[in-house]
Amino acid sequence: AQTVTQSQPEMSVQEAETVTLSCTYDTSESNYYLFWYKQPPSRQMILVIRQEAYKQQNATENRFSVNFQKAAKSFSLKISDSQLGDTAMYFCAFMKIQGAQKLVFGQGTRLTINP
Amino acid sequence: DSGVTQTPKHLITATGQRVTLRCSPRSGDLSVYWYQQSLDQGLQFLIQYYNGEERAKGNILERFSAQQFPDLHSELNLSSLELGDSALYFCASSSGQLNTDTQYFGPGTRLTVL
Repeated sequence: AQTVTQSQPEMSVQEAETVTLSCTYDTSESNYYLFWYKQPPSRQMILVIRQEAYKQQNATENRFSVNFQKAAKSFSLKISDSQLGDTAMYFCAFMKIQGAQKLVFGQGTRLTINP
Repeated sequence: DSGVTQTPKHLITATGQRVTLRCSPRSGDLSVYWYQQSLDQGLQFLIQYYNGEERAKGNILERFSAQQFPDLHSELNLSSLELGDSALYFCASSSGQLNTDTQYFGPGTRLTVL
């Protein structure tokens, strides 16, 4: 079974700073997807970024980028020029390609951006 | 807006009762997933349907059941409700096609069992 671990329950940074959220996972699969979802106070789950395990290149979406280290089973999220609207819970998630395509989530990191 | 709709937004009911949560996937998506988010268990996968057929089951209690209809909307039925069933229930949808399969979430239904 796959497991996802987010070791930082809470983080807090000042607006405009850069912050990195950590995620590690455990799997015996060779092909899979990794995701970061954001859950703001509205409780909506919003996709932030996605990474395919077979791709060497790290995914980037505007101010959001990942550092994907397949051998180390590490998948961190970097938020540059953080904004007040980035305040949210952030969940790392794993999904294997073969078989049940369920998302396995970490416990989340509560990120607060301070003005 | 993800394009996934869920009704109702909030539901308050008593122990022992039965409720039905409804989900409409994004246009064109064939797969529907149900997740439960609670304080003690985090986000847990319950069940997946693809084009009307059950495809995968997670930690879904026997008191819970789901189905996907020909128009692809899905319903999650929760019966003999207990206090511990209070949670946020999410529906997500995806195309169902491998290599493009990102799940998009609805706004959730908050269930409170009193």
